[in-house]
Amino acid sequence: DVKVTQSSRYLVKRTGEKVFLECVQDMDHENMFWYRQDPGLGLRLIYFSYDVKMKEKGDIPEGYSVSREKKERFSLILESASTNQTSMYLCASSLVTLGEQYFGPGTRLTVT
Amino acid sequence: SQQGEEDPQALSIQEGENATMNCSYKTSINNLQWYRQNSGRGLVHLILIRSNEREKHSGRLRVTLDTSKKSSSLLITASRAADTASYFCATEFNNDMRFGAGTRLTVKP
Repeated sequence: DVKVTQSSRYLVKRTGEKVFLECVQDMDHENMFWYRQDPGLGLRLIYFSYDVKMKEKGDIPEGYSVSREKKERFSLILESASTNQTSMYLCASSLVTLGEQYFGPGTRLTVT
Repeated sequence: SQQGEEDPQALSIQEGENATMNCSYKTSINNLQWYRQNSGRGLVHLILIRSNEREKHSGRLRVTLDTSKKSSSLLITASRAADTASYFCATEFNNDMRFGAGTRLTVKP
């Protein structure tokens, strides 16, 4: 079974802090994604990566950056956390770009 | 917007009943997927239906797609309390995949 793990289930940070969210997948998938999920808005794509060191902006990249130094790991970085970044963050991977996506359990981030 | 919109937003039924959720979208699609999310967890893929398919089955799940009406439905037969979750459709077109806001299903024992 594909396993996607995220570094934390719950995280509380202060405004202005730099925040790192880590995601690791164990199935040698080419594609990895970061979403945020807010009530009534569904999932919105922040960034995705289709190869090591490659990244593409999604719908809401502002205030975020990503890093993919190894195929299995995709990191989301909040350079200076703000309260409007309080959300559930979901990482996913897929073998093909638009096929089935496998999701991690999510990180619920609260910025105070 | 290409994003799918699920209907209803919330659905409450008794165990053993069937549950039907709908997804409508506005543009052409290459495929449509359905996912389930248990409370506070990640999403789990249920089924993918391509634009040239009309119906797919997987266990107690039946998905239909009507591209002329730009809509899809997910039917869960003989529902169980464990089916309580949020259900999302995701539409894909031209390398762009979009999720809807979901239907919250509650199955009462």
